[in-house]
Amino acid sequence: ILNVEQSPQSLHVQEGDSTNFTCSFPSSNFYALHWYRWETAKSPEALFVMTLNGDEKKKGRISATLNTKEGYSYLYIKGSQPEDSATYLCAPATYAGNMLTFGGGTRLMVKP
Amino acid sequence: GAVVSQHPSWVICKSGTSVKIECRSLDFQATTMFWYRQFPKQSLMLMATSNEGSKATYEQGVEKDKFLINHASLTLSTLTVTSAHPEDSSFYICSARGRRSSTDTQYFGPGTRLTVL
Repeated sequence: ILNVEQSPQSLHVQEGDSTNFTCSFPSSNFYALHWYRWETAKSPEALFVMTLNGDEKKKGRISATLNTKEGYSYLYIKGSQPEDSATYLCAPATYAGNMLTFGGGTRLMVKP
Repeated sequence: GAVVSQHPSWVICKSGTSVKIECRSLDFQATTMFWYRQFPKQSLMLMATSNEGSKATYEQGVEKDKFLINHASLTLSTLTVTSAHPEDSSFYICSARGRRSSTDTQYFGPGTRLTVL
């Protein structure tokens, strides 16, 4: 079982603030990293799948970077809006199998 | 985007009864489906992986005789919690993937809250 850590566990920001959080994972046998956004009472929504060291992906105001050598990924949200309030989950996959191991998530709350 | 439904969204049952949860991929064929469990304030824990037409692969510590998984078609997987007990009360969520690569996106259902009295 992989040790996947996300920090911080929770985050309160004001509308308009930019924010970022971290996903740390073992760098050995890295294959892919998934990011999801999970709003209360909804299905987790896929944000990004990243595979290459140095990868940078962007979707609207949300972007993510990947460092496979040191085993971390950052998720950035520019100009946070109340609708960005959700739990953000990361999940790496290894060569050992094709399963994802989820981190505990970062719960973001954006105050209007 | 791809849609996965899950039914029921919540269920309350008496101890000793069995509960079946359905997971359906509505607009794509799911070669692989996954079942997760989430305890309060914990992350999603993979219970089992099922490939269409094959027996499910269970994670260590998950009782296969208690959590029966069937993936009989490319759009439907079911999880049956047999002889449920209060400690089985949890949030169960499924996901589906079109192909077998771990670079492919898993699409999630909305989950099922199971309460065993």
